[in-house]
Amino acid sequence: SQTIHQWPATLVQPVGSPLSLECTVEGTSNPNLYWYRQAAGRGLQLLFYSVGIGQISSEVPQNLSASRPQDRQFILSSKKLLLSDSGFYLCAWSPGHITDTQYFGPGTRLTVL
Amino acid sequence: AQSVAQPEDQVNVAEGNPLTVKCTYSVSGNPYLFWYVQYPNRGLQFLLKYITGDNLVKGSYGFEAEFNKSQTSFHLKKPSALVSDSALYFCAVRDMNSGNTPLVFGKGTRLSVIA
Repeated sequence: SQTIHQWPATLVQPVGSPLSLECTVEGTSNPNLYWYRQAAGRGLQLLFYSVGIGQISSEVPQNLSASRPQDRQFILSSKKLLLSDSGFYLCAWSPGHITDTQYFGPGTRLTVL
Repeated sequence: AQSVAQPEDQVNVAEGNPLTVKCTYSVSGNPYLFWYVQYPNRGLQFLLKYITGDNLVKGSYGFEAEFNKSQTSFHLKKPSALVSDSALYFCAVRDMNSGNTPLVFGKGTRLSVIA
């Protein structure tokens, strides 16, 4: 069966520091991968998605970036964090067909102070 | 463009009563519709989806949803609510004409089941 992992689970970082959040999927190959941010326990904001290695689509211009160095690994990064980057970051994957479900990881709670 | 609306920010229901969480959608083609549940500080869990076929879809934890094409709705229902159903619920859509793009999510509805 497939599983999705995210780490760390929680992170407290000072303003201006770098960020690296990692997401990995097991038990599948060539998945579609997604990064979302959720603020204040409400709506989801799609940040990036990827349909293959090196293929990243950015949905919003901001100080975040994403990379997919391996088939089942998706990394969210920032060179300098802002207070507004605080939130709950969710990674998701789907098998790749248009009718497929997206499956979410456990999330990373990021607090920028 | 595809979109989904959840008109209620909050739904309160007494334990044992039926519950409904509303969702309406807008797509240019045929919709693929999904419901997810999120408990505090957890990721979203998939409940059910409608792709084609029977308009009544049954999912996890006793939930079901009815696809209504004329009303462009996909309301989530459960005959008898439990306190443990209290959570944040998300409806999502993907337009058949959009290709394999990410799901579009509603803003979420917070369900509170009162004992």
